[in-house]
Amino acid sequence: DAKTTQPTSMDCAEGRAANLPCNHSTISGNEYVYWYRQIHSQGPQYIIHGLKNNETNEMASLIITEDRKSSTLILPHATLRDTAVYYCIVRRSNQAGTALIFGKGTTLSVSS
Amino acid sequence: GAVVSQHPSWVICKSGTSVKIECRSLDFQATTMFWYRQFPKQSLMLMATSNEGSKATYEQGVEKDKFLINHASLTLSTLTVTSAHPEDSSFYICSARDTGGRYEQYFGPGTRLTVT
Repeated sequence: DAKTTQPTSMDCAEGRAANLPCNHSTISGNEYVYWYRQIHSQGPQYIIHGLKNNETNEMASLIITEDRKSSTLILPHATLRDTAVYYCIVRRSNQAGTALIFGKGTTLSVSS
Repeated sequence: GAVVSQHPSWVICKSGTSVKIECRSLDFQATTMFWYRQFPKQSLMLMATSNEGSKATYEQGVEKDKFLINHASLTLSTLTVTSAHPEDSSFYICSARDTGGRYEQYFGPGTRLTVT
């Protein structure tokens, strides 16, 4: 699987958009980008995933660059409850039966 | 969305005893479940992959005789920490993939194990 690089930490004011970047410059054509988050002392929560088109759901938007070497997770109106560690993971489509491998992620701190 | 439960949510046990942690997929069937361990301020580390009806596959460095995994049905996997020691104290998290066609992995809430 392609390696991902994320900033260690980010801060965001409550109500503002949180934009979390992820670099995956070695991503290959059949690899998806997944985002999960982990709130303190809880299990990870699925947020969104995409291949090459931008995706949006009720939680967030995922913007993938045209060359697919990087992506940005956008929380449009961050709340205090969005404070968590956010993980960007790249995985091949045919690896759905294999485990997700977590890196260190980005610790997002949302403050009032 | 799909729900994965774990039981217990936290447990304290004495050194040398064994502890069983259950992981259940509540509204879907899971041929494959995964067990992770997380130490404070660290990321999740994959311990093993559990397949229904067959032996688990353990990651390098994880002792299969110490961490016994059983996946007897499509909705239940168990992790037994045998002869627990204080260094086994950790946050244990399971996850499951819905075999009904979706690709997302769903995670349980985790079990906090403290060995005294």
